[in-house]
Amino acid sequence: QVQLVQSGSELKKPGASVKVSCKASGYTFSSYAMNWVRQAPGQGLEWMGWINTNTGNPTYAQGFTGRFVFSLDTSVSTAFLQISSLKAEDTAVYYCARAYYDSSGYSFDPWGQGTLVTVSS
Amino acid sequence: DIQMTQSPSSLSASVGDRVTITCRASQSISSYLNWYQQKPGKAPKLLIFAASSLQSGVPSGFSGSGSGTDFTLTISSLQPEDFATYYCQQSYRTPYTFGQGTKLEIK
Repeated sequence: QVQLVQSGSELKKPGASVKVSCKASGYTFSSYAMNWVRQAPGQGLEWMGWINTNTGNPTYAQGFTGRFVFSLDTSVSTAFLQISSLKAEDTAVYYCARAYYDSSGYSFDPWGQGTLVTVSS
Repeated sequence: DIQMTQSPSSLSASVGDRVTITCRASQSISSYLNWYQQKPGKAPKLLIFAASSLQSGVPSGFSGSGSGTDFTLTISSLQPEDFATYYCQQSYRTPYTFGQGTKLEIK
């Protein structure tokens, strides 16, 4: 079945970096873009951007430029989110979600299980 | 950016009730509107895409309608497993913005 499996929770100190992985299975990885979505504690969903899994070209939403990097390892059907110079306000659950496209537009399905990144000294 | 506004932000209802959640876009998005369900500690799950198309495996008690700027998600008869938070999302233009969520609680 189509599935996205993310790496485990991370506890980092301010100023450090973190790299979250999202491994896809059950479909052709390069056929669908991969989204990244942030959910701060007790808050709603925020689209961070996506990466074209065919070309590797990323698109970042406003507020997610500079310290946030999307990348791929297509040999193992895996997308990555790297966040550098971590701040306390980066504490959140980060989700990857496949961008499923048909004539009706894009929808996000499926989603990874989420990776909790906690930034604390 | 396109702003998505859901109402209400929270809702108390009983098993068996019919419930409607509304989502309004700040500009016309045609039918490029999706609905997701999120349970505590879990990832969101796609319920409805293209405003009114039921995702495979989603119970038929869920339905969506609307186009342009105004959309609704209806649950015809609430089941215990339906108590969750619901989000709308526009896929008309990037950034693909979400509504703030509607938390559906047991009365």
